[in-house]
Amino acid sequence: AQSVSQHNHHVILSEAASLELGCNYSYGGTVNLFWYVQYPGQHLQLLLKYFSGDPLVKGIKGFEAEFIKSKFSFNLRKPSVQWSDTAEYFCAVISMNRDDKIIFGKGTRLHILP
Amino acid sequence: DVKVTQSSRYLVKRTGEKVFLECVQDMDHENMFWYRQDPGLGLRLIYFSYDVKMKEKGDIPEGYSVSREKKERFSLILESASTNQTSMYLCASSPFDSANTGELFFGEGSRLTVL
Repeated sequence: AQSVSQHNHHVILSEAASLELGCNYSYGGTVNLFWYVQYPGQHLQLLLKYFSGDPLVKGIKGFEAEFIKSKFSFNLRKPSVQWSDTAEYFCAVISMNRDDKIIFGKGTRLHILP
Repeated sequence: DVKVTQSSRYLVKRTGEKVFLECVQDMDHENMFWYRQDPGLGLRLIYFSYDVKMKEKGDIPEGYSVSREKKERFSLILESASTNQTSMYLCASSPFDSANTGELFFGEGSRLTVL
């Protein structure tokens, strides 16, 4: 069965620090990959997605993620975080088999200190 | 913009009560989903629907049922609420579009407390 693993459950950083949130998935076929974000009190929303092409994808608010197929990874990065990046981040994957459903990781709570 | 609206942001119910959570989307999406979100457990799929009158069990359907009588509306029903169903419930929708498979649009959530 497919699974998604997020390595960090809770991350605390100071403003201007660099961020990398790890995400690994287990599925050998073609997948679509996502990072979703949930800011405090707001709905879950798409941060960025990878379907095909350039494995380095850029999303909103300066975030990017790199798909490394050989490592089954899709890590989220931001060179310099801001206090407003405080949120919960979810990695998600769906296989290209139409019968499969999207699978979410357990989430990483990011807390940015001002 | 896609809008997914959940009728109640906060509910408090008593054990044994029947609970209805309503979700409406305005983008003519075929697919609709109900998740529950719990700290440390992420999002877990309860039920989903690919079309009107259709429903499929997700990973944790026990204690829940759903109804999809119209394309834009997907209801989650707790026949007899229990304290372990205290949670945040998220509704989501997506188009039946292979080019965008997996991209979900979420509502703001319904926080249910069962006493």
